[in-house]
Amino acid sequence: DAGVIQSPRHEVTEMGQEVTLRCKPISGHNSLFWYRQTMMRGLELLIYFNNNVPIDDSGMPEDRFSAKMPNASFSTLKIQPSEPRDSAVYFCASSDQGFRADTQYFGPGTRLTVL
Amino acid sequence: GENVEQHPSTLSVQEGDSAVIKCTYSDSASNYFPWYKQELGKRPQLIIDIRSNVGEKKDQRIAVTLNKTAKHFSLHITETQPEDSAVYFCAAMSGGSYIPTFGRGTSLIVHP
Repeated sequence: DAGVIQSPRHEVTEMGQEVTLRCKPISGHNSLFWYRQTMMRGLELLIYFNNNVPIDDSGMPEDRFSAKMPNASFSTLKIQPSEPRDSAVYFCASSDQGFRADTQYFGPGTRLTVL
Repeated sequence: GENVEQHPSTLSVQEGDSAVIKCTYSDSASNYFPWYKQELGKRPQLIIDIRSNVGEKKDQRIAVTLNKTAKHFSLHITETQPEDSAVYFCAAMSGGSYIPTFGRGTSLIVHP
């Protein structure tokens, strides 16, 4: 199993541009999580999907952020328009038992830099 | 909402010493407390977790203790090794919420 796959691994963009981050969860996992990690705010859970349905998006910072999960094997996190303060590492994680940290696997992360 | 405080932010120890990292939480409804280790440039990985129905859990050199009355929990690493050097995060989660709250992290440095 390849684990959780994220793309791109690194993204550099200019302020105002649209950014799309992609995640492929582990096959058979029915829960998917998007996290953001910054020096200032630490690790934050942005949104949680279960069976492709968003269960809790209270961590999404503002309307510029949106996440979708059109099927069980793919999810996107979109930022439009991007701002320099969005610069962070974005992790995707998946689990086969909801939010149980002992069954949750993180992807390698996407390092986003907004200039 | 939940608020998790983690101390210290940096911890430097000699190889073989013990290391203790402490977290406090504010929501008495929180009942699940995982700990993560994140090496530089790598993804977070769960190292141990504890639920509110137990006071202590141990896994080899790592242990976690929970004091529900005082609303704090701690990570204990004994016989530290250089490969233990990493950032450690605590988190707290309520049974009624799907969103964990994380501590800000502790950078542990183990000097050989």
